[in-house]
Formats: sequence, structure tokens, C-alpha cells
Amino acid sequence: SQQGEEDPQALSIQEGENATMNCSYKTSINNLQWYRQNSGRGLVHLILIRSNEREKHSGRLRVTLDTSKKSSSLLITASRAADTASYFCATDPYYGNNRLAFGKGNQVVVIP
Amino acid sequence: SQTIHQWPATLVQPVGSPLSLECTVEGTSNPNLYWYRQAAGRGLQLLFYSVGIGQISSEVPQNLSASRPQDRQFILSSKKLLLSDSGFYLCAWGGTYGYTFGSGTRLTVV
Repeated sequence: SQQGEEDPQALSIQEGENATMNCSYKTSINNLQWYRQNSGRGLVHLILIRSNEREKHSGRLRVTLDTSKKSSSLLITASRAADTASYFCATDPYYGNNRLAFGKGNQVVVIP
Repeated sequence: SQTIHQWPATLVQPVGSPLSLECTVEGTSNPNLYWYRQAAGRGLQLLFYSVGIGQISSEVPQNLSASRPQDRQFILSSKKLLLSDSGFYLCAWGGTYGYTFGSGTRLTVV
């Protein structure tokens, strides 16, 4: 079953603004990952955060993880039109089957 | 470096026709391989995964099948396509630290 559930599902912002999206999951995890999917393309791995980490940065991306609340957030700072995409979280369940569980995705539209 | 190739990029097939989508991986050996389907504006549905040659696990009973004839080759097939098979098909390889996805095949069954 899908663990990740992103919220909100659609976000429209102006270029230069920050975009924040959330992901919640149901069971203990080893790590959580975020992916980006441009329209009509495959998913691209953005960042991984381990269960013992609380925050991680990569360029304009900032990911937080709260294992007590079983949630994660992805922040994109100073958004650009090129950030327009769908963003998916995926979890590696602690008691899982060594397969990632993907959420339903967040669509982000950055208006130039 | 590792690369994944998936083809064709788009496909329009009539109902009842067969299907064969191919995915190959380069630069790694014995990869875990996956086939996903994505309906328009929706999330990913895992169809099949494989941990080795000839080892296929099916996640969802459907009109599709998968095969892994070689270590780095993963094929998605159907004998007779249904309208409901339309969608965006993605191949991926990887493990619990991350997947690498192919560029996808847009299948339209008419």
C-alpha cells in the first residue's frame, strides 16, 4: 500500500516565492526521499533523508523529517519557472519489503 | 555511469493488439527492476518488480505480464490490450536508497 501522502496536492506560486509541500506516512521508515517529475517525463531523485536526520539541504531544496509525527516537508526556495513539476515523496519502510512506497504527488506551478 | 533506456516514447495501439515495452539498464549488474503505470495526473502504481533473471513478482492482477530474459533487460507485455491499459509506463531500477527512472512510454489504446 502507498505510504506517502503529499499535502497539498496542487500549488501555484509566483516566481521567486518559496514552495512548501508535505508528506505523511503511516509506519516507521529507514529513509524518506523526494522526487521531481516534469510533465511527460520520468521521476528524478532529488534528496534522501535518513530516519535519524531532521533536516537536510541540497541547493535550493530543504527537507525536514519529523519521525514522531511521521511527516516530511520539502521546501523549494526562490522558485523558478523551471521548478514547475510534480513532486513525490517515497518511503523505505522499516518493516517493508525493500521496495519504496510512493505518494500520490504534489503538482507545483511556478508562474513567471 | 548507470543509465536506463526505455522505448518507445509514445505508442498508439488498437484494442486487442499485443504490446511489448522494453527497458534496459547499463552500468550496473543484477539491478532490481520495476515497472510502474501512472494514470493522468495520478500517482505511481507498481505493476511488476524483479530481483534477478527470470524472477518476476506481480503487484496487481491485470492484463499485463513482465519478463526478464537478461540481467539488465526488463520487458512489459500484453497479448491483447484493453482500453484501460492506456497510461504512462515507467521503468526504474534501484534499491531502498533511490530509484532511477526511465523517460517513460505514453501508451494510448484506441
